[in-house]
Parts: sequence; C-alpha cells; structure tokens
Amino acid sequence: AQSVTQPDIHITVSEGASLELRCNYSYGATPYLFWYVQSPGQGLQLLLKYFSGDTLVQGIKGFEAEFKRSQSSFNLRKPSVHWSDAAEYFCAVAEFTGGGNKLTFGTGTQLKVEL
Amino acid sequence: ETGVTQSPTHLIKTRGQQVTLRCSSQSGHNTVSWYQQALGQGPQFIFQYYREEENGRGNFPPRFSGLQFPNYSSELNVNALELDDSALYLCASSSASGRYNEQFFGPGTRLTVL
Repeated sequence: AQSVTQPDIHITVSEGASLELRCNYSYGATPYLFWYVQSPGQGLQLLLKYFSGDTLVQGIKGFEAEFKRSQSSFNLRKPSVHWSDAAEYFCAVAEFTGGGNKLTFGTGTQLKVEL
Repeated sequence: ETGVTQSPTHLIKTRGQQVTLRCSSQSGHNTVSWYQQALGQGPQFIFQYYREEENGRGNFPPRFSGLQFPNYSSELNVNALELDDSALYLCASSSASGRYNEQFFGPGTRLTVL
C-alpha cells in the first residue's frame, strides 16, 4: 500500500522568507501527487498536482513543487511567504483501486507565519 | 458553477446514536468520495460512490455506510457512534473520465460524539 510522510508537523517562517515543505511518498508505480491547503474550519483546496512530464510544477498562490523520483519526494516551495499562507498543508498520492481512485494523505504540516 | 456542499456544518451526537451526513456534488460530477479527518491528522478515505454503487472502500467498519442518488448527491451514515468517530467528514466529487479525476472537496461536517 502507498503511504505519504510529511516529516515536519509544524513550521514557522517570517513573512517574506522562503518556504519548503517536505513530502516523501511510497508507491510502486508512477505516482500521481498533490498538495492541498486547509485553512481553519475549511475544506481542502488543491494547490498543485503532478501527473507526468516536467518535474517542476507550478500551482496557485505562487507555490511550486518538484518531483524527484530518486528521492521519492515531492517538496512544496514558495519564494516569499505571505501572512495569508498560514494554514495546514497536506501532501497526497492517488491510488488506483479496482473500483476507483482514492487519495492517501500525509499527516500535514502546520505553517505559521510571523509578521 | 456550484461547488461541493455539505450539510450540516456541525453536529453533536451521543455514543450509540446514528448519524446521516449529506453531500451535493459539483455540477457535472458523477463520483463522490468520503474522507474522515480526525483532529491533527490527514484525511482518511472511507469509500467512494460511482453511479450509485460503492466503488472502493478504505479500512472502515461496516457501520460506516453510504448512498448515492440519481442526481449524484450522497449520504454517509454511521451507526452505533463511538467517541473516536468525532472528526471532520469531508466529501469530494469528481468526474469519472480518464485515469485520474481531480477531486473537489466540500467544507466538511464537524461531528462531535459525546
């Protein structure tokens, strides 16, 4: 079975600083990978996704992520963090079961932004 | 275009009771997935419905059941509630075409079991 590991439970950065959130996955085939963001009391919003092709993918809100097969990683980055980026971030991998598709999520990284 | 909606927003039940949560899928979507998100955890896949049939199930007991209706809306039913069932329940809809279909999430229903 596939799994997703997000090693950092909490991260604090200053506004304007760069950000990198780590994600490692375990999956036998070519993974379909995602990053979601969740603000307090809200559902999940898709930031970006990787299916195939260019290993550097661009998403919304200035986020990008790089797929590295050799390291089984899909780290999320942003060059300059804004206070509104404070939220919880989830990395996920899609698994294709006999009947359908399901997402397996990591435990999340809580981002705090200091002004 | 209407997004995924869920009702109710919050719900408080006592142990042993039964609960029904509802989800309306996004326009044009025919697949609904349900996830349970316990406090401090990532969402966990409960099951998926496609064309009114269960189309994949995660590691949840049979007291978690669901329905999908002809208009593709869905219900999640949980019987014999336990304290550990307290969580945010997320519904996601998608369109079943191609190998992978992006799932769009609703805001969730917060269930508290006392």
